Amino acid sequence: NAGVMQNPRHLVRRRGQEARLRCSPMKGHSHVYWYRQLPEEGLKFMVYLQKENIIDESGMPKERFSAEFPKEGPSILRIQQVVRGDSAAYFCASSPKDPGLGRNEQFFGPGTRLTVL
Amino acid sequence: TQLLEQSPQFLSIQEGENLTVYCNSSSVFSSLQWYRQEPGEGPVLLVTVVTGGEVKKLKRLTFQFGDARKDSSLHITAAQPGDTGLYLCAGDLAGAGNNRKLIWGLGTSLAVNP
Repeated sequence: NAGVMQNPRHLVRRRGQEARLRCSPMKGHSHVYWYRQLPEEGLKFMVYLQKENIIDESGMPKERFSAEFPKEGPSILRIQQVVRGDSAAYFCASSPKDPGLGRNEQFFGPGTRLTVL
Repeated sequence: TQLLEQSPQFLSIQEGENLTVYCNSSSVFSSLQWYRQEPGEGPVLLVTVVTGGEVKKLKRLTFQFGDARKDSSLHITAAQPGDTGLYLCAGDLAGAGNNRKLIWGLGTSLAVNP
């Protein structure tokens, strides 16, 4: 059973281009979370999605960033018109639909490292 | 603002030493998790503590959840270079409604020198 998969692992974009980051959750998981991490820093929550629904996007910048988790296929984090400050590692995590009581555990992918030139 | 404070932020020790990492909050959590992240990889779940006062052991790692479920500690005995990494704690507020977002600490970066 594969874990959380993210692709690409590394993505290089020039300023003004679009970046698309993909995340396939673990089998049976219907909750997806996106995080951003800068070197030597902790995780910054961006967005939490369930299938076809955005539950919490309080950590998403208001402009240029969007996320979706369609009924079929992976979750996508889209960054339009990238700027150098978007360079970071972006991690996706998933959790099952019905965790045990008090066990809201998240399982992470290997991340996508975005470099904006 | 719901915060989870981790301390220390950085820790560099020699192989064989003991250490403790702390995770504190004014909020009560239904559960708290500890993760370890190695360079270039995603965080990996180490343990989940649920009950106030609970103690869990994972080889040389001992995790404790405070009686009031507001704080937690991670103690490593006889640290090894393989313990090097970023240790993150995350709390579940089990908020009302459908939101299962975790509250994350900023992490403790541990370096164990041979």
